[in-house]
Amino acid sequence: QVQLQQSGAELVKPGSSVKISCKASGYTFTSYDMHWIKQQPGNGLEWIGWIYPGNGNTKYNQKFNGKATLTADKSSSTAYMQLSSLTSEDSAVYFCARGAYWYFDFWGPGTMVTVSS
Amino acid sequence: EIVLTQSPTTTAASPGEKVTITCLASSSVSNMYWYQQKSGASPKLLIYSTSSLASGVPDRFSGSGSGTSYSLTINTMEAEDAATYYCQQWSSNPPTFGAGTKLELK
Repeated sequence: QVQLQQSGAELVKPGSSVKISCKASGYTFTSYDMHWIKQQPGNGLEWIGWIYPGNGNTKYNQKFNGKATLTADKSSSTAYMQLSSLTSEDSAVYFCARGAYWYFDFWGPGTMVTVSS
Repeated sequence: EIVLTQSPTTTAASPGEKVTITCLASSSVSNMYWYQQKSGASPKLLIYSTSSLASGVPDRFSGSGSGTSYSLTINTMEAEDAATYYCQQWSSNPPTFGAGTKLELK
């Protein structure tokens, strides 16, 4: 069965960077886009971008250009998202989700990132 | 980007009651997708391509609509349906979500 396992919660300082991971299993990692989605406490969902692990192609929501960098390691079936120049606005839960055409069919449990000094 | 407006923001239903959630798009979209998120959990796909049930989703859930107006219906409310529901479009980039409708058990 499809499973997406995300890395644990992070407490990071303003101005720093953080890299979170999403390990996929139960399907061919290189055949599906992997998306990243942000959810701030009490807020809705915001799409950050996707990566196609098969060839490394990426596409970002313009709002996250320069903030998020998506990568993938085919050998370990793991997708990564690095967030840079962190501010309090980046405090959120970040989900990875497998792409299926125009929607997201399986989601990871989420990684909470807290930006605080 | 396309803005999705959900209504109501919050609602409550008794077991057996019918529930309808509406999602209005700022521009016409070809399809709508719906997710259910329970407290402390990740979203779960409910409906894809406007009206198709995702695998394992009970048939008391249904979706309909076209153009700028879509809806999610729960035919008979059950306690386990208490959650927040989100609509999502990807007719144009970036994909966007509605702000959510919180459904509580009365």
